[in-house]
Amino acid sequence: EPEVTQTPSHQVTQMGQEVILRCVPISNHLYFYWYRQILGQKVEFLVSFYNNEISEKSEIFDDQFSVERPDGSNFTLKIRSTKLEDSAMYFCASSFRYEQYFGPGTRLTVT
Amino acid sequence: TQLLEQSPQFLSIQEGENLTVYCNSSSVFSSLQWYRQEPGEGPVLLVTVVTGGEVKKLKRLTFQFGDARKDSSLHITAAQPGDTGLYLCAGEKGTASKLTFGTGTRLQVTL
Repeated sequence: EPEVTQTPSHQVTQMGQEVILRCVPISNHLYFYWYRQILGQKVEFLVSFYNNEISEKSEIFDDQFSVERPDGSNFTLKIRSTKLEDSAMYFCASSFRYEQYFGPGTRLTVT
Repeated sequence: TQLLEQSPQFLSIQEGENLTVYCNSSSVFSSLQWYRQEPGEGPVLLVTVVTGGEVKKLKRLTFQFGDARKDSSLHITAAQPGDTGLYLCAGEKGTASKLTFGTGTRLQVTL
């Protein structure tokens, strides 16, 4: 069964460093998303992407964040200068229409 | 802010009992999705309901979307220990737009 994959599963970085989180969405899906979940809190929407451009973004998704689909399969989230409060699980999701399928997540720890 | 409130927050029951989890909002959603999430993993999609009043069944799980598309319920019949987990509802406005997640219901089923 097709699934969303994410790498790495765990990333530790120092404050101020850049990180790139990678996702391979389900192959025939058209819409791509990033969400995050701070420990013990709700899953929060960051950004959605369709037709090679951002379709919607939340207040969390400021200038430090960017997304890219560099080729036909990968979807990346870049955080330019990480802060302690960026520590969270980051989930990639993809959909063809209504149903969003989530990846296993990348645990980002900023020290 | 679109809030999805789930009740109860925690539920501990014995194997064989029935239970209902509620997901309520003051907002109208075009679709509502139910997920199950294990610790440290991504949400796993259980079902999507789209039409007001819609009922969907997945083995012992029955999902209903309210007539006004503001609320939903998940009913589990004859709960089993394997049903233990965090159940999340998530609403979507429009097609392929961001999901707003509920507060979650943590279910524990004991022998």
